[in-house]
Amino acid sequence: GEDVEQSLFLSVREGDSSVINCTYTDSSSTYLYWYKQEPGAGLQLLTYIFSNMDMKQDQRLTVLLNKKDKHLSLRIADTQTGDSAIYFCAEKAMNYGGATNKLIFGTGTLLAVQP
Amino acid sequence: SQTIHQWPATLVQPVGSPLSLECTVEGTSNPNLYWYRQAAGRGLQLLFYSVGIGQISSEVPQNLSASRPQDRQFILSSKKLLLSDSGFYLCAWRPGLGRGEQFFGPGTRLTVL
Repeated sequence: GEDVEQSLFLSVREGDSSVINCTYTDSSSTYLYWYKQEPGAGLQLLTYIFSNMDMKQDQRLTVLLNKKDKHLSLRIADTQTGDSAIYFCAEKAMNYGGATNKLIFGTGTLLAVQP
Repeated sequence: SQTIHQWPATLVQPVGSPLSLECTVEGTSNPNLYWYRQAAGRGLQLLFYSVGIGQISSEVPQNLSASRPQDRQFILSSKKLLLSDSGFYLCAWRPGLGRGEQFFGPGTRLTVL
């Protein structure tokens, strides 16, 4: 079946780097995404990466993609208390006809930033 | 720019009562629309999606239904709520064409007592 896996919890100290990991299932996925969810709020799209890229950097965020191992990571530099949230990775669901209208979400990683 | 609205923000309903949650999108035409439920365990469960007016795809059989009476309006309904319907309901949209990322509304917290 389709399963996108993430570790449940990560705790870091303010100012350190955070690395959130994700393994996805479908090597034919064209786009992969990272979302952030603050308590009681909807999901906010943070960034995305196209499958022909290995890395994408956007200010404090760095996305690394290893297609061979189907592994995606999100690195947050200089982590702040405002970064405390749940982070979801997602892949574009594919079928034999190509891309579908759906995303497959991971289980989410709760990032706790200690002052 | 596009915005997505959901209401109500919170709702407390007795078991067996009806439900109607509304989602509207502004600033775009012919979006794909989605309803998700997020239980306390955190994962997102896709309930319904729609690629156009009157076109609804159901992902999980249950006592919920969805309707899309207008291009930018998506409604989630139930005739009789169950305790297990409690959760955080999220509406999302995406452009009909593009990379595929979805944009989420603020959510509705439903508690069934």
